[in-house]
Amino acid sequence: AQSVTQLGSHVSVSEGALVLLRCNYSSSVPPYLFWYVQYPNQGLQLLLKYTSAATLVKGINGFEAEFKKSETSFHLTKPSAHMSDAAEYFCAVSERGGGTSYGKLTFGQGTILTVHP
Amino acid sequence: DAGVTQSPTHLIKTRGQQVTLRCSPKSGHDTVSWYQQALGQGPQFIFQYYEEEERQRGNFPDRFSGHQFPNYSSELNVNALLLGDSALYLCASSRTVYNEQFFGPGTRLTVL
Repeated sequence: AQSVTQLGSHVSVSEGALVLLRCNYSSSVPPYLFWYVQYPNQGLQLLLKYTSAATLVKGINGFEAEFKKSETSFHLTKPSAHMSDAAEYFCAVSERGGGTSYGKLTFGQGTILTVHP
Repeated sequence: DAGVTQSPTHLIKTRGQQVTLRCSPKSGHDTVSWYQQALGQGPQFIFQYYEEEERQRGNFPDRFSGHQFPNYSSELNVNALLLGDSALYLCASSRTVYNEQFFGPGTRLTVL
């Protein structure tokens, strides 16, 4: 079974400060990993994904994440926060192709990011 | 290129009623997945449809059923609604061999 733990349900940063959102996963098979963003009253938008190529993944809007197998982590970072980054962020895991749960996304509980002026 | 669309946007039902939610996938996509997102929670996988068949199912009761049509659009049906079924229902589409899922804006279901 797969699971995702997002450490910190709320993170608050100042505009221009580093953003760090933490995600740890559990998977019995090599995973695919994703970060999604959700703005109020909207669906989910994919920020970035890890699919076994480079361990440092760059996404949209200046976000990036690093896959660390030894730590089973996939933390999301952005060097300088913008007001427009305020939203809820979800980490998700799924099995690679061929697994019995291939295509099923398992999400964490989410982290609400607040950006102060 | 239209993305994933869902209808209706909002829906209010009473306990015991039945509801049908609809989803049209992104152009070129043939796989549709449904998720339930309760308030303050992450989305939870309900089921996935490919080639008009339910391919995978999450831990949801049989009151939740679905269908996929030849044009790849999909419906989610929920019978005997409970208060706990109130949630945002998200549809996601993908190409068969790719894992990347594109999400629609969701349908907000309120059960009174």
